[in-house]
Amino acid sequence: AQTVTQSQPEMSVQEAETVTLSCTYDTSENNYYLFWYKQPPSRQMILVIRQEAYKQQNATENRFSVNFQKAAKSFSLKISDSQLGDTAMYFCAFMAPWVGANSKLTFGKGITLSVRP
Amino acid sequence: EAQVTQNPRYLITVTGKKLTVTCSQNMNHEYMSWYRQDPGLGLRQIYYSMNVEVTDKGDVPEGYKVSRKEKRNFPLILESPSPNQTSLYFCASSLSGQGPSGANVLTFGAGSRLTVL
Repeated sequence: AQTVTQSQPEMSVQEAETVTLSCTYDTSENNYYLFWYKQPPSRQMILVIRQEAYKQQNATENRFSVNFQKAAKSFSLKISDSQLGDTAMYFCAFMAPWVGANSKLTFGKGITLSVRP
Repeated sequence: EAQVTQNPRYLITVTGKKLTVTCSQNMNHEYMSWYRQDPGLGLRQIYYSMNVEVTDKGDVPEGYKVSRKEKRNFPLILESPSPNQTSLYFCASSLSGQGPSGANVLTFGAGSRLTVL
């Protein structure tokens, strides 16, 4: 079974600064996907970034980038130039869609990020 | 607009009173799934459906039923709700439950907050 661990329950960052959110996972699968989701106070689940395990290049989306270390099973999210709208809960998630033909996302517990003005 | 629609968004009910949370998607997605979100636990999968008339249990199916009679709809049924089913529920869909990159990226509904007294 897959597990996802987010050990930091809360973080705070000054506006315009850079922050890194940590995530580790455990799996015996070789092919899988990793995701970061953002959940603002509206509770909507918003996909931030996705990484395919067979791609060595780290994914980037504007101010968001990941540091994917497959051997270490680590998948951290870096937010550059933090903005007040980045205040939200962030979830790290794992998917191995070829296992049981189920696109199940296994989520971490989440981290609450606060951006200070 | 491509979306997953859940109803009701908020519901307070009493123990034992059957209720249904509806979920509908307009993207012709084959795969649909239900999750519940609880503090400190992240999101956990309840049930999923690979296609019409094909459903299976996720990680926390006890106390829930689903059906998939039409491709676009995937209702979640609580036959006899109990207080431990008080939670935030999300419906999600994707083009496919497995397969090539991108086909399994989940689109989430806005969430349904359920309180069972």
